[in-house]
Amino acid sequence: SAVISQKPSRDICQRGTSLTIQCQVDSQVTMMFWYRQQPGQSLTLIATANQGSEATYESGFVIDKFPISRPNLTFSTLTVSNMSPEDSSIYLCSARDGSWNEKLFFGSGTQLSVL
Amino acid sequence: KQEVTQIPAALSVPEGENLVLNCSFTDSAIYNLQWFRQDPGKGLTSLLLIQSSQREQTSGRLNASLDKSSGRSTLYIAASQPGDSATYLCAVSWETSGSRLTFGEGTQLTVNP
Repeated sequence: SAVISQKPSRDICQRGTSLTIQCQVDSQVTMMFWYRQQPGQSLTLIATANQGSEATYESGFVIDKFPISRPNLTFSTLTVSNMSPEDSSIYLCSARDGSWNEKLFFGSGTQLSVL
Repeated sequence: KQEVTQIPAALSVPEGENLVLNCSFTDSAIYNLQWFRQDPGKGLTSLLLIQSSQREQTSGRLNASLDKSSGRSTLYIAASQPGDSATYLCAVSWETSGSRLTFGEGTQLTVNP
C-alpha cells in the first residue's frame, strides 16, 4: 500500500492570501486526487491531478481558485487561492496505484482555517 | 442522481458488542465499494474494498457485504473495542463515473469501555 505524506497538517490563514498544500507518495502512482471535507460533511472531489497535463476539475471547482500541479508520478500540490472563510475545510490528497478498481489511499489531511 | 447514504449518523455501543453499519446507494451499476475509517483530525484509512462481482470481504474483525440489486452494503464489526471509535465512511465508484468516488456522510461510532 502507498504511504502519502501531506503538509502542512494545519494552518490558519488571513483572508485574501493563498496556501499551497503538498502531497508526496512513497511510490509511483498513476492517479492522484484532491478532496475537500467541509465541517460536519463528507468528502467532495475537487479534481483529479494528471501527470504531465492539466488537472480535471469537478463541477463547482475551477483552476483559478484551486490550481493543481503534478510534475511527476510521486508528487502533487493544491493551492487554495484568494482565500475566504468559506474555504475553511480539511483538504485531503489521495492516490491510487493501478486501475480504478484498486484501493484509494489518503494523506493525513490539511486542516485549513481562514480568518 | 447517484448518491450514497449512511445510517445511522452516529452510534454508541458498549465494548464487546457486535455491530452493523449500513450504506445504501441509488444506482446498482457500480464498479466497487470501499469502506474507510477516519479518526478525528486525520485522513482516511482504507478498510475493505469490494468489487462489483464480489459479495463480501473480510479483514480481521471486519466483514463487509455487498448486495448490488438492493443497493446496500453493510460493515460488520465483531467484538467491538474502544479503539474502534471513529467515523466510518463508505464510498462508491460507479460504472458511469470511472475512477471518481462518491462518499456517504459517515457513521460516527463510539465504543464505550
